[in-house]
Amino acid sequence: AQSVTQLDSQVPVFEEAPVELRCNYSSSVSVYLFWYVQYPNQGLQLLLKYLSGSTLVKGINGFEAEFNKSQTSFHLRKPSVHISDTAEYFCAVRRGGATNKLIFGTGTLLAVQP
Amino acid sequence: EAQVTQNPRYLITVTGKKLTVTCSQNMNHEYMSWYRQDPGLGLRQIYYSMNVEVTDKGDVPEGYKVSRKEKRNFPLILESPSPNQTSLYFCASSLGQGEAKNIQYFGAGTRLSVL
Repeated sequence: AQSVTQLDSQVPVFEEAPVELRCNYSSSVSVYLFWYVQYPNQGLQLLLKYLSGSTLVKGINGFEAEFNKSQTSFHLRKPSVHISDTAEYFCAVRRGGATNKLIFGTGTLLAVQP
Repeated sequence: EAQVTQNPRYLITVTGKKLTVTCSQNMNHEYMSWYRQDPGLGLRQIYYSMNVEVTDKGDVPEGYKVSRKEKRNFPLILESPSPNQTSLYFCASSLGQGEAKNIQYFGAGTRLSVL
């Protein structure tokens, strides 16, 4: 069965510092990978996705992620965070094929401090 | 504006009182899904629908029902709510199967408390 692991439940960081949110997945078949962001009291918004092609994908708000097949990872990065980036971030995986089912990680709360 | 709309946004009810959470999308999407979000567990799929009149169980379907009589609507029904169904619920939709089509769009969420 597929699973997604987000090891860090909370990541505190100072404003303008770089950040990396870690995501590892388990799957023996091809997958599609996603990062969603949830701002306080809001729904989930797609941040970026890896479907195929270049392993470095860029998303909204200056975020990027790199798909590493050998390490089964899809870590999210931003070189300089802002207070407004404070939110919960979810990594999700979908297996290639007919099903549209997304498997989510448990989420990482990014807390940006001034 | 393309969106997934859930109602109500907040709901407090008592054990055993039937309730329905509505979900509607205006993007002509074939695929719709319900998730619940609980602290430390992330989002888990309750039910999904591949098209009109086609629904199937997700990972945590117990205590829930769904229907898909129209393409745009996918209501979530709790026939006899219990306190363990207190959670944040999200509806999502996507165009259909296949690589480029499978971007799921989420509603704003429904926070349910069952007393």
